[in-house]
Amino acid sequence: DAGVIQSPRHEVTEMGQEVTLRCKPISGHNSLFWYRQTMMRGLELLIYFNNNVPIDDSGMPEDRFSAKMPNASFSTLKIQPSEPRDSAVYFCASSSESTEAFFGQGTRLTVV
Amino acid sequence: AQSVTQLGSHVSVSEGALVLLRCNYSSSVPPYLFWYVQYPNQGLQLLLKYTSAATLVKGINGFEAEFKKSETSFHLTKPSAHMSDAAEYFCAVSETGRRALTFGSGTRLQVQP
Repeated sequence: DAGVIQSPRHEVTEMGQEVTLRCKPISGHNSLFWYRQTMMRGLELLIYFNNNVPIDDSGMPEDRFSAKMPNASFSTLKIQPSEPRDSAVYFCASSSESTEAFFGQGTRLTVV
Repeated sequence: AQSVTQLGSHVSVSEGALVLLRCNYSSSVPPYLFWYVQYPNQGLQLLLKYTSAATLVKGINGFEAEFKKSETSFHLTKPSAHMSDAAEYFCAVSETGRRALTFGSGTRLQVQP
């Protein structure tokens, strides 16, 4: 398996624009996680899905953030409108009942 | 609620020296504990995990960690550091049945020649 695939790897956008981050989990994994990494706050869980259903979205910063998982092989994290303080590395991870979480390479988002 | 504290944001050792990275956890239920490593501009890679089997856990690249319930600790060690071990290391905890991870703040390991 190619592992967890995230796209794009880098995104630079202007404040106010919509940003969509994409994730393809490992085939057969039924849990998917979105994390954000910043210098100030470290690694934070934003949201996680189990069997495509959001289980815990308490880490989503505000209404500008939304995440979807329309099927077992795809998830998106959308920020609309984006702000400079959203600049961070966003990681997607997936796991199954019997495995630990495997992480993607991350998307480095810069909002100018 | 669960949390992880990593003592020391930066640790520097000489090549060949012992590596000790500290992690203390807080959890209201028996925890699952993990150590992940992150190389520059990369995702996180699992080093090892504790899931209530043996208290001494061996991982990849010669690392191991010991779960000590009485001390609520899960420190990471390696007998002899290698230059390629330079990276950031994260301790993480999850509660049984909930696979989302709570991470510590990370420890950056430098290995001096």
